[in-house]
Amino acid sequence: QVQLVQSGGGMVQPGTSLRLSCAASGFTFRNFPMHWVRQAPGKGLEWVAVIWSDGSDQKYADSVKGRFTISRDNSKNTLHLQMNSLRDGDTAVYYCARAMMTGWYFDLWGRGTLVTVSS
Amino acid sequence: EIVLTQSPGTLSLSPGERATLSCRASQSISRNTIAWYQQKPGQAPRLLIYGASSRATGFPDRFSGSGSGTDFTLSISRVEPEDFAVYHCQHYDSSPLSFGGGTKVEIK
Repeated sequence: QVQLVQSGGGMVQPGTSLRLSCAASGFTFRNFPMHWVRQAPGKGLEWVAVIWSDGSDQKYADSVKGRFTISRDNSKNTLHLQMNSLRDGDTAVYYCARAMMTGWYFDLWGRGTLVTVSS
Repeated sequence: EIVLTQSPGTLSLSPGERATLSCRASQSISRNTIAWYQQKPGQAPRLLIYGASSRATGFPDRFSGSGSGTDFTLSISRVEPEDFAVYHCQHYDSSPLSFGGGTKVEIK
């Protein structure tokens, strides 16, 4: 079954760190660029980060640059998002998403995991 | 950075009516690199349209996308009960990617 299964998330205090994971199955993970997209409560979608299929490059939204790191392990079909120096504004449901090789639109999404940053 | 503005914010319709959703870009989008997603409460978004007008697998032909340049439209010819949801547009012209604020299609 083609799917992305997310783990991690939870409630943390401002300034702390959290790591999200996304396990892929049912497709050749190493062939696809992977992204993280988030959605604050009651708000729209916000692109967070992308990593190339071979892990050779990454790009980030300005809102997370220098604090978040996207990585992948193609041998384990797993995507990660390391989130440091978390802020209240990072509170959101975080989705991992598979992008097409022909263009960065998302044809497969994880179910999302809630990250709450609160003191 | 390309900013996408969706309108209206909420569209109240009765089943069987036509829905027209707008997505306007702050600058011209090359190669029609616009996607639309449907999102129902508590669920992840689901790809609906890519390349501005190509329909994704699993969606019926009452859904259609059109437009070019800075103005793009998602149309639902006759809204069915299962179509009431939030619709998001997204550009993938260049980095950073961005989404519009979403249009909620609700039952009138």
